[in-house]
Amino acid sequence: QSALTQPASVSGSPGQSITISCTGTSSDVGGYNYVSWYQQHPGKAPKLMIYDVSNRPSGVSNRFSGSKSGNTASLTISGLQAEDEADYYCSSYTSSSTLVFGTGTKVTVL
Amino acid sequence: QVQLQESGPGLVKPSQTLSLTCTVSGGSISSGGYYWSWIRQHPGKGLEWIGYIYYSGSTYYNPSLKSRVTISVDTSKNQFSLKLSSVTAADTAVYYCARGTAAFDYWGQGTLVTVSS
Repeated sequence: QSALTQPASVSGSPGQSITISCTGTSSDVGGYNYVSWYQQHPGKAPKLMIYDVSNRPSGVSNRFSGSKSGNTASLTISGLQAEDEADYYCSSYTSSSTLVFGTGTKVTVL
Repeated sequence: QVQLQESGPGLVKPSQTLSLTCTVSGGSISSGGYYWSWIRQHPGKGLEWIGYIYYSGSTYYNPSLKSRVTISVDTSKNQFSLKLSSVTAADTAVYYCARGTAAFDYWGQGTLVTVSS
């Protein structure tokens, strides 16, 4: 299984909105509503930010939102804050009952 | 609050078997409803899913690692384990255990395993 494709980096100024894409195939992203997004700060374990394409776990800011169109999922961070600077990974369930992660995106707050 | 903690050797010699255990507290593996997963991250790189197991013993593995991976569960100890055979330097990584199948809501802190002679 191939890793899902994410942009290597995305940047934005405080208060702006940014969107990170996650492109897969009809066997993963396009075939299931089981896309998740994780935030990872340096030296820390990843934190679940979005599950099932667009659902936020309790305690996650509503500035984070997810969506999907075809084989591409997206994570949008609105009202960008300094604390949002981190690496972000998407993941998707696959037709083989396995899971695949994205390549990861480094978000920089300018 | 569910907590996961990885344990095992931090240094493994090439060609040997890497063995890690994840101890779960604050929740029972045998209560069902979740798969229990192993994920790794090579230094400075992205996340790689290794595999997961259900309390019944049902397992699924990453096809690229399947020939070398075994994940097992011990419900009496509320633990699940990872064995990765014939390791090389390419298996040097931080290994995480986590709860979930399509979404991982609880993670261990991760443990660095270095493969070196």
